[in-house]
Amino acid sequence: GENVEQHPSTLSVQEGDSAVIKCTYSDSASNYFPWYKQELGKRPQLIIDIRSNVGEKKDQRIAVTLNKTAKHFSLHITETQPEDSAVYFCAAYTGSARQLTFGSGTQLTVLP
Amino acid sequence: DAGVTQSPTHLIKTRGQQVTLRCSPKSGHDTVSWYQQALGQGPQFIFQYYEEEERQRGNFPDRFSGHQFPNYSSELNVNALLLGDSALYLCASSLAGRQETQYFGPGTRLLVL
Repeated sequence: GENVEQHPSTLSVQEGDSAVIKCTYSDSASNYFPWYKQELGKRPQLIIDIRSNVGEKKDQRIAVTLNKTAKHFSLHITETQPEDSAVYFCAAYTGSARQLTFGSGTQLTVLP
Repeated sequence: DAGVTQSPTHLIKTRGQQVTLRCSPKSGHDTVSWYQQALGQGPQFIFQYYEEEERQRGNFPDRFSGHQFPNYSSELNVNALLLGDSALYLCASSLAGRQETQYFGPGTRLLVL
């Protein structure tokens, strides 16, 4: 089955700096890669996603890049703000298995 | 537009008991997936329901079972509870044609003593 690895497990940045979180996946059949933000005690919130036929996608301060050959994808947050502090999860979806496989999460802390 | 809802929010059970958790999907969605999230970990897929049938199951024992009703709402049942079943149980809803795009409910936190 699919295996998703996520790094780093913790990340601290100064407000206004950029943050990058990286994930690798194992199943070349995976074709959809969402990112979720989970604040303490709250539900995972879908913040951005990318499909395998696209190399990059941006939404305001957030961007995701995908390298299908290397089987890795990354989340980029620019101009970070304290409210960006949360746990971020990457995931990969394999159509044949009909399931999302999640990474282990990254605790992002934005220091004011 | 109603989002995904789950009940109850918290639950405390003892080992060996049985528990039922409930989920109502986002308005317009017809597919429900259930996940278990242990503390400090990513969600783990339990199973997915569509058209009142289990379509896919993750690596969970058959103590975990589910049901989907004609109104697309769903239940997760866990029998013979173990201490290790303590976790946040999340349901996510999606559309059959876009089942990969999943929206999560707030979860039910289960504590097994």
